Amino acid sequence: DAGVTQSPTHLIKTRGQHVTLRCSPISGHKSVSWYQQVLGQGPQFIFQYYEKEERGRGNFPDRFSARQFPNYSSELNVNALLLGDSALYLCASSGKGQAGETQYFGPGTRLLVL
Amino acid sequence: GESVGLHLPTLSVQEGDNSIINCAYSNSASDYFIWYKQESGKGPQFIIDIRSNMDKRQGQRVTVLLNKTVKHLSLQIAATQPGDSAVYFCAETFSGYALNFGKGTSLLVTP
Repeated sequence: DAGVTQSPTHLIKTRGQHVTLRCSPISGHKSVSWYQQVLGQGPQFIFQYYEKEERGRGNFPDRFSARQFPNYSSELNVNALLLGDSALYLCASSGKGQAGETQYFGPGTRLLVL
Repeated sequence: GESVGLHLPTLSVQEGDNSIINCAYSNSASDYFIWYKQESGKGPQFIIDIRSNMDKRQGQRVTVLLNKTVKHLSLQIAATQPGDSAVYFCAETFSGYALNFGKGTSLLVTP
């Protein structure tokens, strides 16, 4: 069975540009969460979506936005990129995104901002 | 703010020995805890989880212990193998859906 997939695997951008990252959840999962992982640290929660609605947002600026599509895939958009946005962006899926529900992670998209 | 932390940043063990990775959490309202393994260049891989109404849970070669009194979580890996070398993260839910991760412990298994 296919797990969580993310694209692209790597991306290089320059400051001020915008980027769109994509995620497809495990088949049957309706919830997608996004995390940012800076080198040497644990992942930090950005967003969770369930049934196309934003359920929660972490402590990230408005430059970060996301959406979920009818097929439950999701996009993460980051505008006006800063050097500090360089990180591994992880997508995780779960059935309903409820408390006590396991989140399964994809391989991530490594973003480098120059 | 409240956070999840790990006691040791690195742990080196010999192949065949048992490994114990510790984690402290500060949010007494946390009710679900998870251990993830992350290999270089990959996303976190689910290992085992435990709910706050349990003290211990066992999987294949892994055991998670939860001590709510001192807000401490541990992961025990039996007969550690070279393939166990990775960074291990504990995570807890504080909002019902978002996972709060610690910084991670790097486990190195030597022959």
